[in-house]
Amino acid sequence: DAGITQSPRHKVTETGTPVTLRCHQTENHRYMYWYRQDPGHGLRLIHYSYGVKDTDKGEVSDGYSVSRSKTEDFLLTLESATSSQTSVYFCAILQGGTGNTIYFGEGSWLTVV
Amino acid sequence: DAKTTQPPSMDCAEGRAANLPCNHSTISGNEYVYWYRQIHSQGPQYIIHGLKNNETNEMASLIITEDRKSSTLILPHATLRDTAVYYCIVRGKGSGNTPLVFGKGTRLSVIA
Repeated sequence: DAGITQSPRHKVTETGTPVTLRCHQTENHRYMYWYRQDPGHGLRLIHYSYGVKDTDKGEVSDGYSVSRSKTEDFLLTLESATSSQTSVYFCAILQGGTGNTIYFGEGSWLTVV
Repeated sequence: DAKTTQPPSMDCAEGRAANLPCNHSTISGNEYVYWYRQIHSQGPQYIIHGLKNNETNEMASLIITEDRKSSTLILPHATLRDTAVYYCIVRGKGSGNTPLVFGKGTRLSVIA
């Protein structure tokens, strides 16, 4: 599992409230990613980080912000949650070596009502 | 957009080999072929990757054609627990700035 922990695993929140999802890794990987997965769209990249305080946007970044103040934690924040952000969110890390393989966490299920 | 083409679904009898094809005709010389699978409600699971040589690990074998325009993932003895969506992804090794781009994959159903 490449030492990835996502929290919370399940959350229900109301429209307009802020929500933060946390991805924690224990193996000092430089690159971390946030994806979302929706029926009919597959997995889509939201944001990624290539080091402490270094982040960049992915394919579907609108409505999301991220922060990485420590190597081990990559936070995804929905400043004002909307129903369209109801989804499953996956964190991933890049493990270096041959092929630079990406490994995923178990997911965080978010429902915005 | 995904650079690969996979059949939307396949069936395989339990205990038989499952052969999942993937076309990647526009692959470039420095791009690897990666295979992941996703079992319902779980995070994508890395299976195997290769550049041009055939590869084998404890989970599967990857056969890449000589022209590298297609590949086949082989699960030698499929079990019911191998029922999942399988994704074939082409990606340059380069750096982490090149994230995975997922297509729709192949839904493999292993039948008892």
